[in-house]
Amino acid sequence: EPEVTQTPSHQVTQMGQEVILHCVPISNHLYFYWYRQILGQKVEFLVSFYNNEISEKSEIFDDQFSVERPDGSNFTLKIRSTKLEDSAMYFCASSELRGGNSPLHFGNGTRLTVT
Amino acid sequence: AQTVTQSQPEMSVQEAETVTLSCTYDTSESDYYLFWYKQPPSRQMILVIRQEAYKQQNATENRFSVNFQKAAKSFSLKISDSQLGDAAMYFCAYRRSLNRDDKIIFGKGTRLHILP
Repeated sequence: EPEVTQTPSHQVTQMGQEVILHCVPISNHLYFYWYRQILGQKVEFLVSFYNNEISEKSEIFDDQFSVERPDGSNFTLKIRSTKLEDSAMYFCASSELRGGNSPLHFGNGTRLTVT
Repeated sequence: AQTVTQSQPEMSVQEAETVTLSCTYDTSESDYYLFWYKQPPSRQMILVIRQEAYKQQNATENRFSVNFQKAAKSFSLKISDSQLGDAAMYFCAYRRSLNRDDKIIFGKGTRLHILP
């Protein structure tokens, strides 16, 4: 069964550094998402992306964050200047259809540790 | 704004027994979708079961079934014949039906322990 692939599985970075998290969605999916899960807390929506533009973003997704689909397969999340509170699990997800009953397929996540 | 509440941070069940995980949600919409996702130690979020709000019949997937009470805004997950592999974090989730708003909103999760 096709999977969403995320790399790296764990990223350690220093405060103030830029970090890019990588995702390869399922190949025939058109809708892409990033979610964040701070340790022990709920899974929070960050951003959704379709047709090479952001569809929706949450309050968390401020100017420090950006997303890009640089080629036909990758979907990246960039954090420009990391803060300690950015430490979390970041999940990429993709969906074949938009909204409704179409489920999101998640990757295994990238654990980001900001020191 | 829509919210999803899971009031049980942790639960335990004996292997082969049945367990029910609770979920309530708040919405003013009449048409929406509800999901249960499982997150095992491998971290990947896996869809367990989904329910359309317009359907009165409760969804069932093998050993997993839901009790959807629309008036009460309740969406509980029942796991029958619990297996060791069911040990995971379980998230209840909500999604509006409107195409413009396609994000899924998650509850805080319930950690399920299976006792051998």
